[in-house]
Amino acid sequence: SQQGEEDPQALSIQEGENATMNCSYKTSINNLQWYRQNSGRGLVHLILIRSNEREKHSGRLRVTLDTSKKSSSLLITASRAADTASYFCATYSSGNTPLVFGKGTRLSVIA
Amino acid sequence: DAGITQSPRYKITETGRQVTLMCHQTWSHSYMFWYRQDLGHGLRLIYYSAAADITDKGEVPDGYVVSRSKTENFPLTLESATRSQTSVYFCASSDRGLNQPQHFGDGTRLSIL
Repeated sequence: SQQGEEDPQALSIQEGENATMNCSYKTSINNLQWYRQNSGRGLVHLILIRSNEREKHSGRLRVTLDTSKKSSSLLITASRAADTASYFCATYSSGNTPLVFGKGTRLSVIA
Repeated sequence: DAGITQSPRYKITETGRQVTLMCHQTWSHSYMFWYRQDLGHGLRLIYYSAAADITDKGEVPDGYVVSRSKTENFPLTLESATRSQTSVYFCASSDRGLNQPQHFGDGTRLSIL
């Protein structure tokens, strides 16, 4: 069953705007990861944030993690049409439990 | 070209038939995974493997069989396909541990009539 739940399910913005997606989860985590999936392709890993980290940056991506609220957000700044994709969060809890993926947010960036 | 390759990319078969989806990776990653992706369900783990000859069930293993005789290959077999197994199947691999980022193939779109 899903651990992470992305919000919103779908998001449509204009090119140049910022896009924010959220992920909420239920149980304690070791790390949280964000992935992108372009139409017809496999998922691509974007960024990993550990439970003792609060914020991480990679290029135009900014990820925050609030373990007290069991939530994470992915911010894409100055979005481009090429950012159009589905974005998934995945959580790793501990031990021998594999990553659990959420259902994703569909982002459309309109030129 | 190095990476993770799935074959076939598209497959149509009939209920009751056996079908095998192939997955090959060139990184020598220890871990390999099989997922199915369905509208409304997101990505669900079918089986995974920590090394050659070691496999474990995921969230939705029923109706599927896997094997891992070599590190680089992780085939998924539907022994008697059912319509409910119509889906897009993704193979992934990761190095060093279950908590590490995964690298995905481009999927197999399987339709069962």
